[in-house]
Amino acid sequence: TQLLEQSPQFLSIQEGENLTVYCNSSSVFSSLQWYRQEPGEGPVLLVTVVTGGEVKKLKRLTFQFGDARKDSSLHITAAQPGDTGLYLCAGASNDYKLSFGAGTTVTVRA
Amino acid sequence: DSGVTQTPKHLITATGQRVTLRCSPRSGDLSVYWYQQSLDQGLQFLIQYYNGEERAKGNILERFSAQQFPDLHSELNLSSLELGDSALYFCASSVRGTSGGRSYNEQFFGPGTRLTVL
Repeated sequence: TQLLEQSPQFLSIQEGENLTVYCNSSSVFSSLQWYRQEPGEGPVLLVTVVTGGEVKKLKRLTFQFGDARKDSSLHITAAQPGDTGLYLCAGASNDYKLSFGAGTTVTVRA
Repeated sequence: DSGVTQTPKHLITATGQRVTLRCSPRSGDLSVYWYQQSLDQGLQFLIQYYNGEERAKGNILERFSAQQFPDLHSELNLSSLELGDSALYFCASSVRGTSGGRSYNEQFFGPGTRLTVL
């Protein structure tokens, strides 16, 4: 059983459309990180959210941390084929290890 | 490029064998984390070292062991390999930050070692 539940598991959209990926847990996290991973490569850190209710924007990507610090969302506006990848959320319950969700595979079709 | 290096990139071996995976953290980072990623289990935390000492353990099998050396590089030793040990193995190092009075660690991952056990 994953500590963090990500949904949906797969998402396939057309270039220019918007998408949202969700990351939910019953646990409170001190911080939460989002990563993107390409096949056969290591996860690349996109953002860290720390404060409940925090919203961070990274170009067309918007990240939100829930008020209770138990959930998070990633919204991509006007998706492009370069956004294709596996998106992983990871919650930190202490300083030493991250618990990862199973990931959302996003495919953006040209 | 995260600054974390891992060797080798690929490793193919047989059941029952022993292998060693190597990781060098980013310059200045004292922590090294090891993760296993398989298709059915996702990314699983194995073990963490901080400045040469074991700091935290996750889902690491007894057949697996790790150590961190004085120069801060780390090695993950996998022995009595089984078919199910085939996976991607990642190491990460971390940097501490603060935001709104709260401290947090950000982990940066290496490119991984793909282990195939035949």
